[in-house]
Amino acid sequence: DIVMTQSPLSLPVTPGEPASISCRSSQSLLHNGYNYLEWYMQKSGQSPQLLIYLGSNRASGVPDRFSGSGSGTDFTLKISRVEAEDVGVYYCMQSVQTPFTFGGGTKVEIK
Amino acid sequence: QLQLQGSGPGLVKPSETLSLTCSVSGGSISNSNYYWAWIRQAPGKGLEWIGNIYYTGSTYYNPSLKSRVTISVDTSKNQFSLRVTSATAADTVVYYCASRRNGDKGFDYWGQGMPVTVSS
Repeated sequence: DIVMTQSPLSLPVTPGEPASISCRSSQSLLHNGYNYLEWYMQKSGQSPQLLIYLGSNRASGVPDRFSGSGSGTDFTLKISRVEAEDVGVYYCMQSVQTPFTFGGGTKVEIK
Repeated sequence: QLQLQGSGPGLVKPSETLSLTCSVSGGSISNSNYYWAWIRQAPGKGLEWIGNIYYTGSTYYNPSLKSRVTISVDTSKNQFSLRVTSATAADTVVYYCASRRNGDKGFDYWGQGMPVTVSS
């Protein structure tokens, strides 16, 4: 199985400031020119919601302050200006091969 | 816009079979643009993919659970289901059903989490 490693585990942020989460995979997620990497956010007590697919494509309705980048084994989710509603746990997930596997999560909280 | 609604017992006895159903509304489960999936999450833990099913019935399972898991689809009821046999305390988790767009465009719609406890 592909192991997904996220850092940091916890990320205190100041509203209005940028934030960045790293995700590394144990094997390359690049296949046929696409990076099979997705980002999800889970607010407390809610189901996860899709933010980014294929490495850098924002899902429908996702604010443009969220962006995904990276290739191969190293990926980053950036929030250009954090808002209070961005508090939650963020997960990366690979879909280049089954079983799909998730990172352990990064908890974003307001300072 | 799709809506997914999960249902099933919240309490299962050890060694028995856990069964959950996800009803899809706002679209057809036979839509060739979608797969249908089950994902679970242990309390305070991360997410674990259980498996996907296509409306044709073709399935993909997580090998860690494959011997105990069956995912099925009922196109007449616009539902898909999950069965986990020989339930143990380790299956005491929150189960989610989700839709997955073809072309690896992510799990874009999720049902509400369904907590299941395995206990006598």
